[in-house]
Amino acid sequence: SQTIHQWPATLVQPVGSPLSLECTVEGTSNPNLYWYRQAAGRGLQLLFYSVGIGQISSEVPQNLSASRPQDRQFILSSKKLLLSDSGFYLCAWSNPGGTDTEAFFGQGTRLTVV
Amino acid sequence: EDQVTQSPEALRLQEGESSSLNCSYTVSGLRGLFWYRQDPGKGPEFLFTLYSAGEEKEKERLKATLTKKESFLHITAPKPEDSATYLCAVRARGGFKTIFGAGTRLFVKA
Repeated sequence: SQTIHQWPATLVQPVGSPLSLECTVEGTSNPNLYWYRQAAGRGLQLLFYSVGIGQISSEVPQNLSASRPQDRQFILSSKKLLLSDSGFYLCAWSNPGGTDTEAFFGQGTRLTVV
Repeated sequence: EDQVTQSPEALRLQEGESSSLNCSYTVSGLRGLFWYRQDPGKGPEFLFTLYSAGEEKEKERLKATLTKKESFLHITAPKPEDSATYLCAVRARGGFKTIFGAGTRLFVKA
């Protein structure tokens, strides 16, 4: 069966510091991968998605970037964090193509920028 | 513009009191409508995918239905462990972007 791992679970970082959140998927090949951010009381906002190694699409211009160095690894980064980057970050995967379109989520990372 | 609106924002029920959550959507060609359950501090847990109007799916006390403009999540005889935020989302044909609603927070009191 497929599993998704996301770490760390919580993170407190000072303003201006770098960020690296990692997500890996097991049990599937060539998944579509996603990074979402969830603000309190609001829906999930898609930040980036990837359909293959090195292929990244950005949905919202911001202080963050994403990379996919391996088929089942997705990384969210920032060179200098802002206070507004605080939030709950979620990685997700879905099957490529076919009729299965639902996404499966990791447990999330609570980022607090201080 | 693709959009998802969920109502009510919060719903408080007594154990055993059945009710429904609403998800209204606009999308340029629906590929799928999804329901998720999210517990505090956790990632969303997938519940259902609905593809076309008239489709229904059930899981334990939950039943999801779909029309051309909205979806309902019916909760029959809820239990306290059903307390969570329920998220609705849609994806348009030909796209990878899934649009989420803000969710309905459900509280079930014993």
